[in-house]
Amino acid sequence: SYGLTQPPSVSVSPGQTASITCSGDNLGDAYVCWYQQRPGQSPVVVIYQDSIRPSGIPERFSGSSSGNTATLTISGTQAMDEADYYCHAWDTTTPIFGGGTKLTVL
Amino acid sequence: QVTLRESGPALVKPTQTLTLTCTFSGFSLSTTGVCVSWIRQPPGRALEWLAFIDWDNDKYYNTSLKTRLTISKDSSENQVVLTMTNMDPVDTATYYCARIQFHGSGYGWFDSWGQGTLVTVSS
Repeated sequence: SYGLTQPPSVSVSPGQTASITCSGDNLGDAYVCWYQQRPGQSPVVVIYQDSIRPSGIPERFSGSSSGNTATLTISGTQAMDEADYYCHAWDTTTPIFGGGTKLTVL
Repeated sequence: QVTLRESGPALVKPTQTLTLTCTFSGFSLSTTGVCVSWIRQPPGRALEWLAFIDWDNDKYYNTSLKTRLTISKDSSENQVVLTMTNMDPVDTATYYCARIQFHGSGYGWFDSWGQGTLVTVSS
């Protein structure tokens, strides 16, 4: 199966826009979803099927995908958004996770 | 309301077999498109998918761990059990169970997670 590559860390100032990328050789043929994991908590899906936001997730979270790269964008980043973010895609019946990106809001 | 809860030993010795139970409510594992999965996360590290079982009792395993893993379900008890043999200190991790819901498009994601249970492997 292929791998998903994320930057280990991203920093953003409060109120600014944060972008986290996820790249993989076969991503052009697969949907991506994104999970937020706050310290000491379980992951929560914030985007699925590349760009759909589940109910209850703030509108400042958005997703997109082009070619072999998917991007999670957080507009107007808040301190509460500081967390680890993981992308996930399928390789037929195998779920693959990216290595995670630590988002720091400073 | 969908809930999942992991249970099992907090400490196992090297070479022992780990047995974890996921007890869930708010959905049925007999419903088409519904699966329950196990994922683990070593301290400070990334998520790693282990296995999932689907509504038709088909089982899918991480190929690198397949020889050590067995997943099964008890639908009447709303439980999914994962066993992992020959435990090693590198298997120390928080183990999560999560629901996957596949939709008509054939696409699914981990839409609900348990709180996780920390398993330490040490003599």
